[in-house]
Amino acid sequence: GIQVEQSPPDLILQEGANSTLRCNFSDSVNNLQWFHQNPWGQLINLFYIPSGTKQNGRLSATTVATERYSLLYISSSQTTDSGVYFCAVGFRFHPAGGTSYGKLTFGQGTILTVHP
Amino acid sequence: EPEVTQTPSHQVTQMGQEVILRCVPISNHLYFYWYRQILGQKVEFLVSFYNNEISEKSEIFDDQFSVERPDGSNFTLKIRSTKLEDSAMYFCASRGGLASSYNEQFFGPGTRLTVL
Repeated sequence: GIQVEQSPPDLILQEGANSTLRCNFSDSVNNLQWFHQNPWGQLINLFYIPSGTKQNGRLSATTVATERYSLLYISSSQTTDSGVYFCAVGFRFHPAGGTSYGKLTFGQGTILTVHP
Repeated sequence: EPEVTQTPSHQVTQMGQEVILRCVPISNHLYFYWYRQILGQKVEFLVSFYNNEISEKSEIFDDQFSVERPDGSNFTLKIRSTKLEDSAMYFCASRGGLASSYNEQFFGPGTRLTVL
């Protein structure tokens, strides 16, 4: 079935360290988004990246659609980077057949803790 | 910058009561979604809505749930008779149109529903 798997489930870093979060997905996609969930529960959209590479400050992301994975890089981490990071994938086709209407399937998330 | 808004931010209700969660999607968007996140779990798809009808729904979206776009701007989720297990954060999202460049979904800040 359709799957989105994130690794690692938990990550603990010292401030200033770099990290890589991974998202594996099971089928062709037309959407992939990375979110950071803040302490208030809001989903902050980091990247829309169904393919290719993007950078925004200390964060960058790469999706290799043909190999069905995406990576989120956090450099020089800060305590404010702590929280849960979700990968969410929109699959191109509905499992029952036909084109998907774009629903996102979320991974389980990576809980990042950055210590000062 | 256009954004998705949701009201209320927090709703407390008694079991068995009806609740309506409200969302104002981005004005020129065509596809609308509801997701929910039970505390400590991943975000789950509930329903997608396009052209004034439900286009896809999950197993969670049973007869107790309904969605409506009563006018040109609001998108609502109604839970007819709330249960304790409906306690969750509910997110509304919208996206633009059919072209691939419009696949990105924009999420509202969420409504935290607490059922007592």
